[in-house]
Amino acid sequence: DQQVKQNSPSLSVQEGRISILNCDYTNSMFDYFLWYKKYPAEGPTFLISISSIKDKNEDGRFTVFLNKSAKHLSLHIVPSQPGDSAVYFCAARRGQPGANSKLTFGKGITLSVRP
Amino acid sequence: DTAVSQTPKYLVTQMGNDKSIKCEQNLGHDTMYWYKQDSKKFLKIMFSYNNKELIINETVPNRFSPKSPDKAHLNLHINSLELGDSAVYFCASSRSGSGPSFSYNEQFFGPGTRLTVL
Repeated sequence: DQQVKQNSPSLSVQEGRISILNCDYTNSMFDYFLWYKKYPAEGPTFLISISSIKDKNEDGRFTVFLNKSAKHLSLHIVPSQPGDSAVYFCAARRGQPGANSKLTFGKGITLSVRP
Repeated sequence: DTAVSQTPKYLVTQMGNDKSIKCEQNLGHDTMYWYKQDSKKFLKIMFSYNNKELIINETVPNRFSPKSPDKAHLNLHINSLELGDSAVYFCASSRSGSGPSFSYNEQFFGPGTRLTVL
């Protein structure tokens, strides 16, 4: 069963515009959410995260919003740059990071930023 | 100065063979993981080790045997390879314990090993 869902497989935006990547989850026990970015032939790279006690976390051009009641989070990238073109994975976790901590990943969204 | 490295990057082999994938991290982390990304693109955890001790084992067939000779290495040995084992396998590492920020404890991934079983 897919506990983390990224229903849109791809997104294409113009350089300079906003990219909004969506993610839904079903497990209400998740209390920490992360976004990873992945280029071809590389491993995923941690991008930004948010605790379930917050509804927004911002880091430079990247902002993650969490709507717990809707079990929905989104990643906003503004302004989008061609170098942002990659696959973005949403992930969720129960509890603090550690060896017992499992990340549950979505399928990923392929973002293409057109120059 | 690679943080998490895996060898080989590509592995093509016949059904029934035994193969190993090696992983090394030079980040001083104490926890290492193996993930499998299947044809449907889901990344799923297989194992985690903390200080050479197995912590997570996610209903993986016992043909898969992780081995951690030390904190910096976590190798994956696969016996009697099957067609369904074809996937990209990612190694990752992290620090356990609390840090100055959540990102301090997040997982760093290797570049992946694409295994193709013919």
